[in-house]
Amino acid sequence: EAGVVQSPRYKIIEKKQPVAFWCNPISGHNTLYWYRQNLGQGPELLIRYENEEAVDDSQLPKDRFSAERLKGVDSTLKIQPAELGDSAVYLCASSPLRGPEQYFGPGTRLTVT
Amino acid sequence: GQSLEQPSEVTAVEGAIVQINCTYQTSGFYGLSWYQQHDGGAPTFLSYNGLDGLEETGRFSSFLSRSDSYGYLLLQELQMKDSASYFCAVLSGGGADGLTFGKGTHLIIQP
Repeated sequence: EAGVVQSPRYKIIEKKQPVAFWCNPISGHNTLYWYRQNLGQGPELLIRYENEEAVDDSQLPKDRFSAERLKGVDSTLKIQPAELGDSAVYLCASSPLRGPEQYFGPGTRLTVT
Repeated sequence: GQSLEQPSEVTAVEGAIVQINCTYQTSGFYGLSWYQQHDGGAPTFLSYNGLDGLEETGRFSSFLSRSDSYGYLLLQELQMKDSASYFCAVLSGGGADGLTFGKGTHLIIQP
């Protein structure tokens, strides 16, 4: 069984530029999460989807971040414009149902210069 | 709000036993999970405690005391490959919310 796929793995952009991350969850997993992980910290939830519905986006900085999950499968997280403080690893995770066991992708390491 | 406290770093010897503690303050607590993350890797699920007591999975065990808002991860027969960061994470909102992670404990295994 394939795991959670994310791309790109690494991204370097200049501040004020836009950037997008893509995630393909494990087949059959209805719940999808986007987390942000800063160096030396634990993952921080940005948004959670159940199928195509965003059921928790309270931690998503909506002035510059947006996300979508079309058809309840793949998801895209976008930042526009990026700021220096957005440098982090962006992790996507999925689970068959909401709960404690989540399957994480390898993440996208974003560097904003 | 929610907060979790765990030691930032623990050092242990190969073959020994180590315990990583986690205390939490949260509303709507549902259960406590543990994840392992190697440098540059993805977090991987280790265990979950929804009820008080000990859960054992091979060399790893996890414990929860709801009354003390406390849990721990116990790693036995330590191997060099166990060198990683370990995160406790709270599940709240009746299990409907996402996980809230602690800052992680960096475990260093010495030969």
